[in-house]
Amino acid sequence: GQNIDQPTEMTATEGAIVQINCTYQTSGFNGLFWYQQHAGEAPTFLSYNVLDGLEEKGRFSSFLSRSKGYSYLLLKELQMKDSASYLCASMDSNYQLIWGAGTKLIIKP
Amino acid sequence: TAGITQAPTSQILAAGRSMTLRCTQDMRHNAMYWYRQDLGLGLRLIHYSNTAGTTGKGEVPDGYSVSRANTDDFPLTLASAVPSQTSVYFCASSDASGTGNEQFFGPGTRLTVL
Repeated sequence: GQNIDQPTEMTATEGAIVQINCTYQTSGFNGLFWYQQHAGEAPTFLSYNVLDGLEEKGRFSSFLSRSKGYSYLLLKELQMKDSASYLCASMDSNYQLIWGAGTKLIIKP
Repeated sequence: TAGITQAPTSQILAAGRSMTLRCTQDMRHNAMYWYRQDLGLGLRLIHYSNTAGTTGKGEVPDGYSVSRANTDDFPLTLASAVPSQTSVYFCASSDASGTGNEQFFGPGTRLTVL
């Protein structure tokens, strides 16, 4: 079956670093997406990985290991506005996205 | 640029009634999608369209229908609403249905079926 696992909730301190993990099992694999979703709003795209390794984009980085079915999103220099849910999604062999339930990140001052 | 819009923003609907959720994009994207988002669950694909004139079933298509008469519009119809269809519905679009193309989401429609 297809499955995406990520922690339900995480708490971190403003200015710190946090890593949100995601493991996936999908029929075929065409890449791993991370989206950010603030409460009551639509998801917005953060990153896409299809090859192993780390992709850095400002304060946000995303890592992929295809052999382990594992990805993480790394957020540095946390700001209060980073309080949101972070959604992991794997693209399957039909180019459809299979979504995790999301990780709610709470930032404390 | 408006991007992708949805209407209505929210709706309360009596069970057994029909309703159409509207979605329009002005980015000339080929692919469009309808998802539902429920607490504790990931986004689930209801229907999709890879290009105008074609549609396909997603993970949870029962009770829903779609049409794609042109590139811009992708309405979702509930023929006879049931309480289990209470959810937040997101429409999304992407430049193409292949690898790496990010999906852009509309603001969502919050639907309550009583």
